[in-house]
Amino acid sequence: EIVLTQSPGTLSLSPGERATLSCRASQTVSSSYLAWYQQKPGQAPRLLLYGASIRATGIPDRFSGSGSGTDFTLTISRLEPEDFAVYYCQQYGNSPPGPIFTFGPGTKVDIK
Amino acid sequence: QVQLVQSGSELKKPGASVKVSCKTSGYTFTKFAINWVRQAPGQGLEWVGWINTNTGNPAFAQAFTGRFVFSLDTSVSTAYLQISSLKTEDTAVYYCALKQYTGYQLDYWGQGTLVTVSS
Repeated sequence: EIVLTQSPGTLSLSPGERATLSCRASQTVSSSYLAWYQQKPGQAPRLLLYGASIRATGIPDRFSGSGSGTDFTLTISRLEPEDFAVYYCQQYGNSPPGPIFTFGPGTKVDIK
Repeated sequence: QVQLVQSGSELKKPGASVKVSCKTSGYTFTKFAINWVRQAPGQGLEWVGWINTNTGNPAFAQAFTGRFVFSLDTSVSTAYLQISSLKTEDTAVYYCALKQYTGYQLDYWGQGTLVTVSS
């Protein structure tokens, strides 16, 4: 089973700053199978990016994704007040015994 | 627009069962698989499994075999998660979420259902 590690655990930044979040996989992951979610307190997660770099419907272009193989990055170019949240990466696997979604432990982006 | 509306919070005793519903609307029910994701208090996301809305076939993560059952009522576009022999460690928010059969991500999410297991 592929394990995802996210760093840093917490990122303290000010509005307007750039945020760079890392997701590292224990084995190679197809870019097609890598997604990012945002979760605010008391809310369900929201899909931000899929296919490592494709923004989901309605996601502003300050969110971008990159990477391949075992290293993936979510970048928020200029933090808006509503961007302070927890971010999870996710990979999909389909090897025996069956399909599986695996999530990273999350990176919390909080206000400095 | 696509909507997933889940049933309300539940308080159960250890050993009891619970059934959580996820009513969908705004799309053709059979276009997406319905997934279930667990989030224990203050913790991250954990995939429980999914159910194929065309065949009714389920798939479970290894940690969730045995006490977890998925079902569908296609007449009302609703999916269900039933957990039996509840343990205190099952206390969590359970989310339903949609995955396209040609995709590899969870596109839409329900609001979550808090299941609390306490004596």
